[in-house]
Amino acid sequence: GQSLEQPSEVTAVEGAIVQINCTYQTSGFYGLSWYQQHDGGAPTFLSYNALDGLEETGRFSSFLSRSDSYGYLLLQELQMKDSASYFCAVLNSGNTPLVFGKGTRLSVIA
Amino acid sequence: DADVTQTPRNRITKTGKRIMLECSQTKGHDRMYWYRQDPGLGLQLIYYSFDVKDINKGEISDGYSVSRQAQAKFSLSLESAIPNQTALYFCATSDSQVETQYFGPGTRLLVL
Repeated sequence: GQSLEQPSEVTAVEGAIVQINCTYQTSGFYGLSWYQQHDGGAPTFLSYNALDGLEETGRFSSFLSRSDSYGYLLLQELQMKDSASYFCAVLNSGNTPLVFGKGTRLSVIA
Repeated sequence: DADVTQTPRNRITKTGKRIMLECSQTKGHDRMYWYRQDPGLGLQLIYYSFDVKDINKGEISDGYSVSRQAQAKFSLSLESAIPNQTALYFCATSDSQVETQYFGPGTRLLVL
């Protein structure tokens, strides 16, 4: 079987840095994606890591450690608009769909 | 215009009724997906299709069926709706880079 674990809720202060962790157990592994979903909206793609290390895209970065079956999403200089749910998703092969975690609800407070 | 559209956006139906949710895309992607979202449960895959002649069950396909009418169209049917199918339904598309999916705006379904 397979499983993904991420915290259900995280709260952080505007301007701060927050890290959302994701651990996974899968029979095969190609890579880890991250998606953002605002309340009432559709999920939107943020990043994908296939190799170990840190990928940076503006204020957002994503990290992967294949040996630890672990990844995280790092959000810097938090803004109120970053309040949303964040989902990690595992890609097990090129011909299977993503498997999504249950999501982490991030609340940014003043 | 939106790349991935879903109709209807909201639907109220009664137990036992058959309903169809439709998804269309202009992205030219071969791969399409239907997900269900319940609060706190993330996105659960119902069915997916990697091309027009390919249909595959996801993790929660019971009670649902799909039709891939064309590359651009993928419909989800509830043959006999029941209250626990009340949820938010998303259609998504991707090219061969499955890790990057593009979601429609969602259909909010209420089964009474």
